[in-house]
Amino acid sequence: DGGITQSPKYLFRKEGQNVTLSCEQNLNHDAMYWYRQDPGQGLRLIYYSQIVNDFQKGDIAEGYSVSREKKESFPLTVTSAQKNPTAFYLCASSPRYGYTFGSGTRLTVV
Amino acid sequence: GQQLNQSPQSMFIQEGEDVSMNCTSSSIFNTWLWYKQDPGEGPVLLIALYKAGELTSNGRLTAQFGITRKDSFLNISASIPSDVGIYFCAGIPSGNTGKLIFGQGTTLQVKP
Repeated sequence: DGGITQSPKYLFRKEGQNVTLSCEQNLNHDAMYWYRQDPGQGLRLIYYSQIVNDFQKGDIAEGYSVSREKKESFPLTVTSAQKNPTAFYLCASSPRYGYTFGSGTRLTVV
Repeated sequence: GQQLNQSPQSMFIQEGEDVSMNCTSSSIFNTWLWYKQDPGEGPVLLIALYKAGELTSNGRLTAQFGITRKDSFLNISASIPSDVGIYFCAGIPSGNTGKLIFGQGTTLQVKP
């Protein structure tokens, strides 16, 4: 079955550490996106990529980094520069119109 | 950036009641989408609308693409407990390459 897979489901990070969230899709979609969701909040765009080896900053890119070396993969690194990283992170992919979302990664700083 | 105004922010209703929510924008949109998010999961697409005036149903859900292309509505009839969740509207503005703009979400709670 085609889909988009995020891992891990839950992630704990110590302050000052970098962590990488995985996002893999086998839908053959060109575009991929990372969103952050805080409790009771909507979705805020962190980074997006419309083609391999190219990506653009979204609305809240500071403290995050991404890479797009393969069409199927769009990992997100939450760096130590992100001062408030505890949140629910969602990855999505899209052929052109309409997104398919992964099931999310809940990151908690301990 | 462009924003969508989604209302109401939250609803607490009795099982069996009908529900209405809407999204508005100051600019024209080419596509409107409605998603549902269950707790701890990613949003799932419910209905997609591509033409002004379009009315589309998916079971007990009905959504409409506003004639002005600046708004969309979602109705849920005869609500049941599993309708609980967050409903998001999303749209693609005219001239955009496909990047979605999301509303803030409507949190729906259903009392059995």
